[in-house]
Amino acid sequence: KNQVEQSPQSLIILEGKNCTLQCNYTVSPFSNLRWYKQDTGRGPVSLTIMTFSENTKSNGRYTATLDADTKQSSLHITASQLSDSASYICVVTSYKYIFGTGTRLKVLA
Amino acid sequence: ETGVTQTPRHLVMGMTNKKSLKCEQHLGHNAMYWYKQSAKKPLELMFVYNFKEQTENNSVPSRFSPECPNSSHLFLHLHTLQPEDSALYLCASSQDVGTGGGGEQFFGPGTRLTVL
Repeated sequence: KNQVEQSPQSLIILEGKNCTLQCNYTVSPFSNLRWYKQDTGRGPVSLTIMTFSENTKSNGRYTATLDADTKQSSLHITASQLSDSASYICVVTSYKYIFGTGTRLKVLA
Repeated sequence: ETGVTQTPRHLVMGMTNKKSLKCEQHLGHNAMYWYKQSAKKPLELMFVYNFKEQTENNSVPSRFSPECPNSSHLFLHLHTLQPEDSALYLCASSQDVGTGGGGEQFFGPGTRLTVL
C-alpha cells in the first residue's frame, strides 16, 4: 500500500533553533518528493522538490534530503523564525500524489 | 492570491442548504483537483479534472457534485451535507494530471466549511 508517514506529528521549538522533520514513504513507482509549507488558514505552498537522483537541495534556510534506498526524506530548518510556524507536508508523486499527515511546527519567541 | 483563488473563504451551512464552492486558476494549467482536509488526516483527494473531463472520483458521496465548465474554473456543489463534512476544502491545479512525474500542484487558500 502506498503510504507516506511523517514524524513528529507536532514540534515546538524556540526561535533561532534548528529542527529536522522526517518523512518515510512506501510508494512505488517513485517519481519525486515535495515538501510543502501550509500556514494556518492557507493552502500548501511548495518548498522544494526532490527527484530520485538528488540527495540534498536547499531553499534558503530550508534543506531537504532524500535517501532513495531507505525511502526517507528530511526537511531541516536552520535558525528558525516565528514565521516558520506552520504545517509541513511531505508529498510523494507516483501515479498519483500521496500525501503525508504533516508535521505541525510552532516556533516560540 | 493571483495563482489559484477560492470563494468563499468561509462558509457555514445547515444540513438542508445548497451551496457552491468556486475555484479559479490563472496559471494556464490543464488539471484541477478538489481535496478535503480534516484535522490530523492527510489531504483526501476528492475529484480530478483534466482538460475539463473528470478523470477521478475518489468514492465521494453524491451530496458533493463537481462541475468543471472549462480548464480555469472548478465548482463543488454541496447539498444535504452532514456535520462530519465540516473541513477545509482545497482546490489545486497542475500543468497536467500527475502520472509518473506530474507537475507541481498549486493550491488555493481553501474554503473553511462548517455544517451545522
